[in-house]
Amino acid sequence: AQSVTQPDIHITVSEGASLELRCNYSYGATPYLFWYVQSPGQGLQLLLKYFSGDTLVQGIKGFEAEFKRSQSSFNLRKPSVHWSDAAEYFCAVGATTGANNLFFGTGTRLTVIP
Amino acid sequence: NAGVTQTPKFQVLKTGQSMTLQCAQDMNHNSMYWYRQDPGMGLRLIYYSASEGTTDKGEVPNGYNVSRLNKREFSLRLESAAPSQTSVYFCASSEEERQNTEAFFGQGTRLTVV
Repeated sequence: AQSVTQPDIHITVSEGASLELRCNYSYGATPYLFWYVQSPGQGLQLLLKYFSGDTLVQGIKGFEAEFKRSQSSFNLRKPSVHWSDAAEYFCAVGATTGANNLFFGTGTRLTVIP
Repeated sequence: NAGVTQTPKFQVLKTGQSMTLQCAQDMNHNSMYWYRQDPGMGLRLIYYSASEGTTDKGEVPNGYNVSRLNKREFSLRLESAAPSQTSVYFCASSEEERQNTEAFFGQGTRLTVV
């Protein structure tokens, strides 16, 4: 069965600093991988996705993520964080075969300090 | 573009009351989903509808029913609300049956059962 682990519940970074949010997944085959962002009181917005091909994917708002099969990881990065990036970030894995479902991690809340 | 619209945004119910959460999408998507979001647990799938006229259980279906009224609308019903159903509910839609394309989320319904 698929599962997603986001080991960091809460991360605080200074504005302008770099950011890396960790995501590890469990899935028997090559998964579909996603990062979503949720601003307070809002729904989820897709940042980026990986289906196949280049393991470094670029997303919106200057985010990128790298798929590492050997580590079962899909970490999200941003070289310079802006105050508006404060939000909750969810990693998700989708099945490539069989049941229709998208499994979410428990989320990482990002605080940005000036 | 409205995208995915959920009503109501907030609701307080007494234990045992019933209510229906409404969801409509204007993107002509085939698949629609209902999730619940609880602190520390990420999003969990309640029910989904791969296409008009079909519905299937997700990870946490107990206590809920759904109706895919037409291609645009997918409602979630709580027949007898319980405090354990206090949560934030999100409706989502995607173009394809498997969520290997982008899922678009509504802004959520915050439900409190007292």
